Amino acid sequence: GQNIDQPTEMTATEGAIVQINCTYQTSGFNGLFWYQQHAGEAPTFLSYNVLDGLEEKGRFSSFLSRSKGYSYLLLKELQMKDSASYLCAGLDSNYQLIWGAGTKLIIKP
Amino acid sequence: ETGVTQTPRHLVMGMTNKKSLKCEQHLGHNAMYWYKQSAKKPLELMFVYNFKEQTENNSVPSRFSPECPNSSHLFLHLHTLQPEDSALYLCASSQDWSSGTDTQYFGPGTRLTVL
Repeated sequence: GQNIDQPTEMTATEGAIVQINCTYQTSGFNGLFWYQQHAGEAPTFLSYNVLDGLEEKGRFSSFLSRSKGYSYLLLKELQMKDSASYLCAGLDSNYQLIWGAGTKLIIKP
Repeated sequence: ETGVTQTPRHLVMGMTNKKSLKCEQHLGHNAMYWYKQSAKKPLELMFVYNFKEQTENNSVPSRFSPECPNSSHLFLHLHTLQPEDSALYLCASSQDWSSGTDTQYFGPGTRLTVL
């Protein structure tokens, strides 16, 4: 079956760095998405990786290893507004998005 | 208005009621989606419309009935729901579902409670 695994909850300190991991098992693979969702709000697009390696966008970076079925989202210089859920989703061979349950990130002062 | 809007934001209904959720996108997209989001569970894709044609129906019970009158509007008609249908219902849009790697843009959702 198809599956996306990511930790349920993580806690980090303001100003620090946190890495949110995601492992995926999909029938075929056409890329991996990360979305951010603040409580009571819409998920918003953060990144899309289809090739191996690290892509950086300001304080956020996303990494993909296709051979390991693994991705991570790296958040630097954490701010209180980064407290949110982070959703990992893999795109299978039929271009269907397979979603993880999300990682709730709690930032403490 | 910009982006994807959904109304109402909150809805409480009894099991015998009939109600409708509305979604509107102002992005010029051709694909629209309904998702169900339950606490601590992955997003569940319910329906996909691409150029007003329904392309996906992921074994959704018939008490949920979608309607897509044009590329900008999507409705979800609800009748005789069950308490386990209580969840956040998210609408999303993208440029073209058939292109595969489209980024989806989400609305804020309707929080539905079935009593």
